[in-house]
Amino acid sequence: EPEVTQTPSHQVTQMGQEVILRCVPISNHLYFYWYRQILGQKVEFLVSFYNNEISEKSEIFDDQFSVERPDGSNFTLKIRSTKLEDSAMYFCASSGGQGGTDTQYFGPGTRLTVL
Amino acid sequence: AQTVTQSQPEMSVQEAETVTLSCTYDTSESDYYLFWYKQPPSRQMILVIRQEAYKQQNATENRFSVNFQKAAKSFSLKISDSQLGDAAMYFCAYRNYGQNFVFGPGTRLSVLP
Repeated sequence: EPEVTQTPSHQVTQMGQEVILRCVPISNHLYFYWYRQILGQKVEFLVSFYNNEISEKSEIFDDQFSVERPDGSNFTLKIRSTKLEDSAMYFCASSGGQGGTDTQYFGPGTRLTVL
Repeated sequence: AQTVTQSQPEMSVQEAETVTLSCTYDTSESDYYLFWYKQPPSRQMILVIRQEAYKQQNATENRFSVNFQKAAKSFSLKISDSQLGDAAMYFCAYRNYGQNFVFGPGTRLSVLP
């Protein structure tokens, strides 16, 4: 069964550094998403992406964040100048294709630790 | 704005028994989707079950079923014949057409042998 994959599974970085989190959505999906889950808290929406542009973003998704689909398979989240409070689990999700646009399938997540 | 509430931060169930997790939501929309996601210790988000609001019939997936009460804006998850592998955080989520998920705070389910 196709699944969303994310790399790396765990990223450790120093405060102020840039990180890029990578995702490979399910191949026939058209809609892509990033979510964040700070430890012990609920999952929060960051951004959605469709047709090579951002379709919606939350107030969390400020200028330090950016997303990109650099090729036909990858979907990346870049965090510039990381802060301690960016430490969280970051989930990529995709939807669309034969299953419609309503069910989002999540990847396993990337645990980001900012020191 | 839509909100999702899960009033039970923690629940426990004996193996092979049945447990029900509660979820309520607030929306002014008539068409939407509701979901239950499971997050085991690995922290992966796994879709358990989904319900379309326009369907009166409650969704069922093997040992998992929901009790969808649209008028009451209630969407509870029933897990029958609980197994040790069911132990996880369970998140209720709401999604409207063209919009993104709103998650509840989660319920941590423990399964006792």
